[in-house]
Amino acid sequence: AQSVTQPDIHITVSEGASLELRCNYSYGATPYLFWYVQSPGQGLQLLLKYFSGDTLVQGIKGFEAEFKRSQSSFNLRKPSVHWSDAAEYFCAVGAQNSGYALNFGKGTSLLVTP
Amino acid sequence: EPEVTQTPSHQVTQMGQEVILRCVPISNHLYFYWYRQILGQKVEFLVSFYNNEISEKSEIFDDQFSVERPDGSNFTLKIRSTKLEDSAMYFCASSTYYEQYFGPGTRLTVT
Repeated sequence: AQSVTQPDIHITVSEGASLELRCNYSYGATPYLFWYVQSPGQGLQLLLKYFSGDTLVQGIKGFEAEFKRSQSSFNLRKPSVHWSDAAEYFCAVGAQNSGYALNFGKGTSLLVTP
Repeated sequence: EPEVTQTPSHQVTQMGQEVILRCVPISNHLYFYWYRQILGQKVEFLVSFYNNEISEKSEIFDDQFSVERPDGSNFTLKIRSTKLEDSAMYFCASSTYYEQYFGPGTRLTVT
């Protein structure tokens, strides 16, 4: 069965510290992968995407993610977190043989402390 | 920058009533979607729509749900007889291909 796992429900980091949010997937077909961010009361904003090619992808707001096929992972990273990065982060996966429907992880809530 | 818009932002309805949630997708996009997020849970796919017909739907999207593109700009989700468990945030999304852009959502509260 297709699944997307975000192992960390909550993460707290200090402002200026580095960040890594984990995402693992289980898909039968070649996946395409996304990270979305949701601020309180807001919609889902696309941070970055991976379809093919270079496995390290750059996104908006200084975020990057690395696709590791051998580990079935697509972890999101940022070298230095800002207080405005506090939000809910969702990993989403789709596959060519499942139409365009996205399967979302349960999300990771990021808290940034001073 | 073009964006997906949704109205209303919040809808309160009584159980058994019909509701219509409205979305205006990005103008050059061809694929349209509805997702929902029950409070505290993950975002779930409901339905995708292309070329004026449903292209894919989840098991959540049962006979009480329907979608329509009544004109060249709007995309609607109708829930015929709302239940308490339909209370959720409903997101519309649109895409040209795989990359989906989401609207701000409509919070539906069924009492």
